[in-house]
Amino acid sequence: GESVGLHLPTLSVQEGDNSIINCAYSNSASDYFIWYKQESGKGPQFIIDIRSNMDKRQGQRVTVLLNKTVKHLSLQIAATQPGDSAVYFCAENRAVGNQFYFGTGTSLTVIP
Amino acid sequence: DTEVTQTPKHLVMGMTNKKSLKCEQHMGHRAMYWYKQKAKKPPELMFVYSYEKLSINESVPSRFSPECPNSSLLNLHLHALQPEDSALYLCASSQDPGGSNEQFFGPGTRLTVL
Repeated sequence: GESVGLHLPTLSVQEGDNSIINCAYSNSASDYFIWYKQESGKGPQFIIDIRSNMDKRQGQRVTVLLNKTVKHLSLQIAATQPGDSAVYFCAENRAVGNQFYFGTGTSLTVIP
Repeated sequence: DTEVTQTPKHLVMGMTNKKSLKCEQHMGHRAMYWYKQKAKKPPELMFVYSYEKLSINESVPSRFSPECPNSSLLNLHLHALQPEDSALYLCASSQDPGGSNEQFFGPGTRLTVL
């Protein structure tokens, strides 16, 4: 399943499928990006980050892709599990101090 | 210790009350942040403290007053709030105020203003 971030804030996928969550960022000077997972009633939890000198970074079951040309970020979750159900935010660091500005967020629901 | 703690977890207050939110980290981080998050919305940056000095105020109303007593503690003093200020208030910290590095978030304080 795939979201287009700002235009489709919800995404439902079957357990075991791959998920793709998209994010468009606004500032071409942003040099560092983080994907956060936020479960209901909790603070945002770091998933994976990427710097602007990279276009891909992989973690455990997650991959972040960065396309600076079109200012687009995506989070790919492999073999999505029910525990992945949460809201996912991308956050951009606009290269002035360490301030982050968050995207709209995408709510991921995993169907068992 | 790799976590940011926030107290209280929940707070209900009237519009004439004065209350404070507290945030603590023992990771040696020199930048601390307050964010406000409304339901189904992303966190919005309110204040940034760098080396215990207020460096960013994102045009927050004066009824919110931040304070950083030392490098481990961050408070948010609340006075004469409005019902629309009801939200989840998140604290975060990061190691280096000047660079691009990860922010660690606390669990938040759920504030309800009656």
